[in-house]
Amino acid sequence: GDSVTQMEGPVTLSEEAFLTINCTYTATGYPSLFWYVQYPGEGLQLLLKATKADDKGSNKGFEATYRKETTSFHLEKGSVQVSDSAVYFCALSSQGAQKLVFGQGTRLTINP
Amino acid sequence: DTGVSQNPRHKITKRGQNVTFRCDPISEHNRLYWYRQTLGQGPEFLTYFQNEAQLEKSRLLSDRFSAERPKGSFSTLEIQRTEQGDSAMYLCASSRNGQGIEKLFFGSGTQLSVL
Repeated sequence: GDSVTQMEGPVTLSEEAFLTINCTYTATGYPSLFWYVQYPGEGLQLLLKATKADDKGSNKGFEATYRKETTSFHLEKGSVQVSDSAVYFCALSSQGAQKLVFGQGTRLTINP
Repeated sequence: DTGVSQNPRHKITKRGQNVTFRCDPISEHNRLYWYRQTLGQGPEFLTYFQNEAQLEKSRLLSDRFSAERPKGSFSTLEIQRTEQGDSAMYLCASSRNGQGIEKLFFGSGTQLSVL
């Protein structure tokens, strides 16, 4: 079945550091890929998405590129801020499916 | 958008009791989803509705679980004869018909603790 694997957390960085959170997936066909973010005390929010191979999703300085050859969708940001502290979830939806399959989440803490 | 509203925020119950959660989606969102999230894990799909029709149910949704959306607006999720393994965060999400799974709006969830 479909699955998503994220890098183990928690991740702790200093402000202005470069961020990478790895995400790989297993799915049949051509899934859509997503990153959701959960800030403390809030609901999950869509951060960015990509619906086909080589697409790059971007939002709020975060980027992720859909790599079919490596079945990956790694999240990157060039310079993180304290306000980026949150839990990040990678997810996929298979073609025609109406459900998301989530990874286990990566807790990110940014220290000033 | 006023956001997806879930009530209650927290529920503590004893094993064997029945519990019911409510979700109010964003107005005019005709798709509504339920997910369950246990500690340290990502959300897992339970079921979804398009308007009042329940179109898909996960095998995680045992016969002790039932979800309804009688008028295509708010939804309820009931768990009968709760077990300790039901302790989790129950999340509701909604989306517009044209967007579907491409953009879900999640509520803050109902945290269930079964003692």
